[in-house]
Amino acid sequence: DAKTTQPPSMDCAEGRAANLPCNHSTISGNEYVYWYRQIHSQGPQYIIHGLKNNETNEMASLIITEDRKSSTLILPHATLRDTAVYYCIVPDNILTGGGNKLTFGTGTQLKVEL
Amino acid sequence: EAGVTQFPSHSVIEKGQTVTLRCDPISGHDNLYWYRRVMGKEIKFLLHFVKESKQDESGMPNNRFLAERTGGTYSTLKVQPAELEDSGVYFCASSQGLYNTEAFFGQGTRLTVV
Repeated sequence: DAKTTQPPSMDCAEGRAANLPCNHSTISGNEYVYWYRQIHSQGPQYIIHGLKNNETNEMASLIITEDRKSSTLILPHATLRDTAVYYCIVPDNILTGGGNKLTFGTGTQLKVEL
Repeated sequence: EAGVTQFPSHSVIEKGQTVTLRCDPISGHDNLYWYRRVMGKEIKFLLHFVKESKQDESGMPNNRFLAERTGGTYSTLKVQPAELEDSGVYFCASSQGLYNTEAFFGQGTRLTVV
């Protein structure tokens, strides 16, 4: 079962910031939060990941709350091409023998509109 | 640098036939994963190789599925005999490490069993 919960869908106007929330209240201290997305039927695409500090790369920013029980993925200027299903994933912990197996869940369908 | 490549991109076979899917990971990536999405369902983990060894095959649905990674390079996933419920998209992913590292996915093989 997925360790995360996400809203099933969100809409965003093109050019505006898209803020996608994720709850992971049972996360352990050494477990990372990963975000992937799947555009239409393509293979999943890695976006960003973090442990406890906020992270930013060329695609997005990841804001993790201080208690690490939730996070928000921010696409600063959403475009039509960002329409996709976004997955927030906490992989099984390698230290507990889980490796890096990804449990995708149902994700959030983000629709970017004009 | 080439990404993860999968062959074929599409395959249509009759029930009872055999199909072999191939995945070429990113060069140097010891970790190789197979996932699949059947119609209307979530993307599910099938198995994980570390080099040529099966680290975790807990997601393999039954003994009609056989995955190999001889020599620790490319991997094959054979379905024999194929059943109607095996239809779906099969994704392969690779990663360099197990912890604090992203997985790169191929574009998938769409398998249709008729």
